[in-house]
Amino acid sequence: GENVEQHPSTLSVQEGDSAVIKCTYSDSASNYFPWYKQELGKGPQLIIDIRSNVGEKKDQRIAVTLNKTAKHFSLHITETQPEDSAVYFCAASIKRGNNRLAFGKGNQVVVIP
Amino acid sequence: AAGVIQSPRHLIKEKRETATLKCYPIPRHDTVYWYQQGPGQDPQFLISFYEKMQSDKGSIPDRFSAQQFSDYHSELNMSSLELGDSALYFCASSLGGRGTDYEQYFGPGTRLTVT
Repeated sequence: GENVEQHPSTLSVQEGDSAVIKCTYSDSASNYFPWYKQELGKGPQLIIDIRSNVGEKKDQRIAVTLNKTAKHFSLHITETQPEDSAVYFCAASIKRGNNRLAFGKGNQVVVIP
Repeated sequence: AAGVIQSPRHLIKEKRETATLKCYPIPRHDTVYWYQQGPGQDPQFLISFYEKMQSDKGSIPDRFSAQQFSDYHSELNMSSLELGDSALYFCASSLGGRGTDYEQYFGPGTRLTVT
């Protein structure tokens, strides 16, 4: 089955700096890769996603890049703010599983004011 | 915009009891996914439904069952509860079903505590 790995597990950045989280996946059939932000006590919030026919996608301060050949994708957050502090999950959809999502283990991002 | 609604938000049950979790998808969404998230863990897929039919099954115990109704809401029924069932249970909804990668939007979750 699909195996999604996420690095690093925790990341501390100074406010205003950039944060990068990297994920790798194993199933070459996967072609949809969403990123979720989860704050304490809340459900995962979809913040950006990318499909395999696109190499990069940007939405204001966040961007995602995808390298299908290497089977890895990354989340980039620029000009980080304290409200960006949360757990971020990458995921890959499993085509043979009716698009269920396989998640990475999550990354705790702490933005230091 | 309307979001996924889950009820109850918190539930406390004793071992061997039964629990029912409800999920109301975003209007016009026809696909529902259930995920279980343990403390400090990533969400694990349990089961999904598309157009009221089970479309996929993950690591869902035989003690659990689920269904999707004609109004597209879904219920997760959990019997013979065990301490290890204590977790956050999320429902996510999306448009489309097989072969279509539509965005999945998660609800706020139900926190189940089994004592």
